[in-house]
Amino acid sequence: TQLLEQSPQFLSIQEGENLTVYCNSSSVFSSLQWYRQEPGEGPVLLVTVVTGGEVKKLKRLTFQFGDARKDSSLHITAAQPGDTGLYLCAGRNSSASKIIFGSGTRLSIRP
Amino acid sequence: GAVVSQHPSRVICKSGTSVKIECRSLDFQATTMFWYRQFPKQSLMLMATSNEGSKATYEQGVEKDKFLINHASLTLSTLTVTSAHPEDSSFYICSARPAGPGSNQPQHFGDGTRLSIL
Repeated sequence: TQLLEQSPQFLSIQEGENLTVYCNSSSVFSSLQWYRQEPGEGPVLLVTVVTGGEVKKLKRLTFQFGDARKDSSLHITAAQPGDTGLYLCAGRNSSASKIIFGSGTRLSIRP
Repeated sequence: GAVVSQHPSRVICKSGTSVKIECRSLDFQATTMFWYRQFPKQSLMLMATSNEGSKATYEQGVEKDKFLINHASLTLSTLTVTSAHPEDSSFYICSARPAGPGSNQPQHFGDGTRLSIL
């Protein structure tokens, strides 16, 4: 069973601060996605990283895929209340047949 | 962009009732659909992978006779929770992967179905 552990599990910070969310596994993934989910809705894809060491930026969000393709991080610069939500990493297994979600990080940004 | 529609979005029913949830890909054909379950304050847990025209593949610990999956067409998969009980209350989310070369096609998620069993 491939497990994806996210840390921290919960994070509450002040508007304007920076933060990093980590996604770790002992397994290698062919690709890794980051999603954001609002209450009562499905997850919305933010980014897909495929190559080990890859870095992608989406406005104030920076995503990195580990060199060994076992871990990833999401860094948010100058967090805003609109960033509040559940952030989920998800890895596609070696046969690329399914996506397994991480344990999730619930982020709350205080105005 | 690709859209996946789930219906109903919310259902409340009595214990012992069977409930059917539909998942449709609106503007693409999906050879593979996935069903996830999400309990409050938890992540999504994959229940089963549904392949068009064949039997679904269930994850370990998921009862196939409890959660019946049918994927009769390239745009529709259904999940039926049979004889539902309060512990089946959860948020059920489907996703669909477009037909196409390679299995690295992106998965598109529905907006989920909130199931509450009284």
